[in-house]
Amino acid sequence: GQQLNQSPQSMFIQEGEDVSMNCTSSSIFNTWLWYKQDPGEGPVLLIALYKAGELTSNGRLTAQFGITRKDSFLNISASIPSDVGIYFCAGQTGNQFYFGTGTSLTVIP
Amino acid sequence: DVKVTQSSRYLVKRTGEKVFLECVQDMDHENMFWYRQDPGLGLRLIYFSYDVKMKEKGDIPEGYSVSREKKERFSLILESASTNQTSMYLCASSFRVSVNNSPLHFGNGTRLTVT
Repeated sequence: GQQLNQSPQSMFIQEGEDVSMNCTSSSIFNTWLWYKQDPGEGPVLLIALYKAGELTSNGRLTAQFGITRKDSFLNISASIPSDVGIYFCAGQTGNQFYFGTGTSLTVIP
Repeated sequence: DVKVTQSSRYLVKRTGEKVFLECVQDMDHENMFWYRQDPGLGLRLIYFSYDVKMKEKGDIPEGYSVSREKKERFSLILESASTNQTSMYLCASSFRVSVNNSPLHFGNGTRLTVT
């Protein structure tokens, strides 16, 4: 199945810094989703985006659905140690979901 | 809140054993999915189901089968476990897209080790 291009692959940042990651696809999606996964756990849904151009926030997280419907980004502001984990995007078309390769985030206190 | 429950967090099985992984969701979702997750390979779809007794092959169905006898339950079966099936298995569910904007919700995963 199709895998989405997600960057960066990993990030090492200082506590308090802002973080930005993005996903791109060669295909158009109807929905973009962002998840966080802690080691040994299942992915947890952070933000869901349903319309092109939509900008949605969830606390310190902000995500946008690209106008072309082929990309999305996730920003985390003022990072804290518990933000550590793997973040990945997912695009939905019909009843199928396609996933990014993940961004591993390390926050240095 | 949506709850997707996988019956086991950790399993250790021997090569050749028949293995059952169970998943239950409490949101009346039509769609249910089984993925495996391996380092460097991301999430790969094994099987999915749009409704009771319906199943569709995903990208890597070989060596697996599934059962959906009730709407809330989707089982993954390893007919004869092999060491290359050692992995993290993730169950997920969603509404059928025509019903709602419906994101995918995951269970906590089952870490299967085949020795």
